[in-house]
Amino acid sequence: QLQLQESGPGLVKPSETLSLTCTVSGGSISSSSYYWGWIRQPPGKGLEWIGSIYYSGSTYYNPSLKSRVTISVDTSKNQFSLKLSSVTAADTAVYYCARYVGYCSSTSCLGWFDPWGQGTLVTVSS
Amino acid sequence: QSVLTQPPSVSGAPGQRVTISCTGSSSNIGAGYDVHWYQQLPGTAPKLLIYGNSNRPSGVPDRFSGSKSGTSASLAITGLQAEDEADYYCQSYDSSLSEVFGGGTKLTVL
Repeated sequence: QLQLQESGPGLVKPSETLSLTCTVSGGSISSSSYYWGWIRQPPGKGLEWIGSIYYSGSTYYNPSLKSRVTISVDTSKNQFSLKLSSVTAADTAVYYCARYVGYCSSTSCLGWFDPWGQGTLVTVSS
Repeated sequence: QSVLTQPPSVSGAPGQRVTISCTGSSSNIGAGYDVHWYQQLPGTAPKLLIYGNSNRPSGVPDRFSGSKSGTSASLAITGLQAEDEADYYCQSYDSSLSEVFGGGTKLTVL
């Protein structure tokens, strides 16, 4: 059974870079059938897609976050990672990683997220 | 403000049927992009409930069903049970090159 687990610092200072890693177990991140994504949820609020990546390294980012986001993949470790720069208090959220079941082209993505990791709370505060 | 609009809350008594709407526009649902639904129980990660507008993953009870028409989609839950009390989110794609989620709907079982 595929499982995903987020890891990284739970506290980040304003203006610094948030870094998280998602470790995939029970399946290969190099599968040609899937992409891998990051989604966040501010406390008490809804879900926001951050971005997705294919094992080859192709990335797709939320236009509203694109200037601050970098997602990368390490197939040797079966992991993918998120970096969000210049964070502010508005970036405080539970960050989830998830498998994206679908297909992305240069003009659209057609798919859904399943399964999800348990999530990790990242607080931005000095 | 979410790109996809959901009612903040719905409620129903055990055994009843409730529906949750997800309203989009011509740049997402109306453009033909599929709608997917997630259930988020308190304190847990979202779980896929419906994919491709109306398909249930294995293990999801047939009390849950989805539909799509025009620029909107709906999630219906029949035979409401106490354990259905959760937040529900719709998801689609928008031609602004972004996955989009609804703002979420809190279901209360009375």
